[in-house]
Order: sequence, then C-alpha cells, then structure tokens
Amino acid sequence: AQTVTQSQPEMSVQEAETVTLSCTYDTSENNYYLFWYKQPPSRQMILVIRQEAYKQQNATENRFSVNFQKAAKSFSLKISDSQLGDTAMYFCAFMKTFMESSGDKLTFGTGTRLAVRP
Amino acid sequence: GAGVSQSPRYKVAKRGQDVALRCDPISGHVSLFWYQQALGQGPEFLTYFQNEAQLDKSGLPSDRFFAERPEGSVSTLKIQRTQQEDSAVYLCASSPRETQYFGPGTRLLVL
Repeated sequence: AQTVTQSQPEMSVQEAETVTLSCTYDTSENNYYLFWYKQPPSRQMILVIRQEAYKQQNATENRFSVNFQKAAKSFSLKISDSQLGDTAMYFCAFMKTFMESSGDKLTFGTGTRLAVRP
Repeated sequence: GAGVSQSPRYKVAKRGQDVALRCDPISGHVSLFWYQQALGQGPEFLTYFQNEAQLDKSGLPSDRFFAERPEGSVSTLKIQRTQQEDSAVYLCASSPRETQYFGPGTRLLVL
C-alpha cells in the first residue's frame, strides 16, 4: 500500500515571498502520478499541479513548481510570489499508473495549512 | 463547462436515519470516485465507478454504505442507519483519465 506524508501541519508566509511545502511518499511502484491539490476554506478541492514519475523534468504551472526527487521519494511544492488567495489547505496525493481498464484512487497526505500574511 | 456538482451541500441527520448524497460528474467523464474527509484530515477513498460498473468498493467502511451509478452518469452514495462516526465531508470526483476533478462536497452531520 502507498503512504503519503506531509510533515508540516501549518506554514505561514509573507505576501510576495516564496514558500516550499514538503511531501514524501512510499511506494514499490515504478510508474505513478503525484499531485498537489489546494482546498480553500470554501472546501472545493482544486488541482494545482501534477507530475508523472517517468518524466525527469519538474512540472511548473505559473507561480507553482515542484521539486520531484524520485530516488528520495520526495515531491515538494514551491509557491513563488505568494498571494493572499493562496491561503488554503494543500494536499499531496499519489496515484498508481492509470490504466484504461480501471482507474485508480488517490492516496492523500494529511495536508499543510498555508496562511499568507499581508 | 460545468464542473462536478454535489447535493445537498449540507445535511443534518438524526442517528439511525438513512441519507442519500448525489453527485453529478462532468459530462463525458468515465471515472467517478467517492471520498470521505474527516475534519482536519485528507480525503480517504470510498469507492470507484467506471461508467456504471462499480470496480472498487474496498474503501466503504461498512455494509451500511452503498453507492450506485445506474446509467453511468449521476451517482448516489447512500448511508443507512447513520452513526455519529459517519459525520464527515463526502467528496465526489470525476476524471477522463489520470486527473480527478472534485465537487464541493456534502457536509454530513449526524446528531
């Protein structure tokens, strides 16, 4: 079974600064997907960024980027130029390789609550 | 286009009542997932549908939980004889492939 660990229950960052959220995972799979989801206080879970394990290049989406270290099983999220709207709960999630014949569930970490200070 | 929608958004039930939670996935999405999110925790998998077929129900906590998706679109999660430990947010997600798109959830409170 896969496990996902987020060791930072809460983080705080000044507006316009950069913050990094940590995530480690444990799996015996070689191919898989990793995701960061954001859950604002309104509760709707929003995809921030995703990484395919077979790709060596780190994924980037505007101000969000990841540092994917496959050997270390680490998948951290860097938020640059933090904005007040980034205040939310951030969840790291793992999924085994997708197959046409069957999907696969996401395994989530316990989350990191990020507060962006004005 | 429209995202995943869920109804009701809030539900208060007396212990022992039956409840039904509805999920309308994004049109055309083959896969549909249900998750349970306890307060302060990450979501945990309940069950998965591919079209109308329930391919994985390993996360359902007891036989009081039942899910269906009869026409491969709308899905209903039913909880019979609710207990206080069933209080949680129930999230539905749909996906065309790897990426899952979540609805706003139904917050269930069992008194």
